[in-house]
Amino acid sequence: DIQMTQSPSTLSASVGDRVTITCGASQSINMWLAWYQQKPGKAPKLLIYKASKLESGVPSRFSGSRSGAEFSFTISSLQPDDVATYYCQQYHEYPWTFGQGTKVEIK
Amino acid sequence: EVQLLESGGGLVQPGGSLRLSCEASGFAFTTYAMTWVRQAPGKGLEWISTISGPGGSTYYADSVKGRFTISRDNSKDTLFLQMSSLRAEDTAMYYCARVSPAHLGCDYWGQGGLVTVSS
Repeated sequence: DIQMTQSPSTLSASVGDRVTITCGASQSINMWLAWYQQKPGKAPKLLIYKASKLESGVPSRFSGSRSGAEFSFTISSLQPDDVATYYCQQYHEYPWTFGQGTKVEIK
Repeated sequence: EVQLLESGGGLVQPGGSLRLSCEASGFAFTTYAMTWVRQAPGKGLEWISTISGPGGSTYYADSVKGRFTISRDNSKDTLFLQMSSLRAEDTAMYYCARVSPAHLGCDYWGQGGLVTVSS
């Protein structure tokens, strides 16, 4: 199975800060990576697909990138509404696997 | 508007069975693969199963293989998850999700159905 190693597990930053989450894959997944946002008590929401493509309707302050087997998710200017847990997920092959999640808080 | 509505969750004893349903609306159900993802209390997301649009191909996580069966009734736009030999560790919120054929990400999710396995 492909292991997804996501860091950090928690992140505290101020409104307006740039924040970055990373996700490493244990083997090549090409660009088959998604990022999801999950707010407490709610279903996950797709933000980024194919590593860097922004889902329709998602604010442009969210972005994704890839450097080899390392993937990054960035919020360019953190907003209070961004408080949530973020997950990466590979769908290169079954079983699909998620990262452990990153809880983002406002300092 | 795309909607996914889960039902069928509840309390079941260890070793018991339960069937979750996910009724879809607002899109051509037959043309989309569908997925189940679960989340144990306070834990992260775990993919458990995916089924192709026509229903001929199914995939399972090792943790549920042989105990859970994913299926769909395309005439009723409904996805199912039949769960048997349930264990305490199957206690979780179960989400159904639509798989985008364009990029394979899960672009729409249901609100979730809670399954509690306890005596």
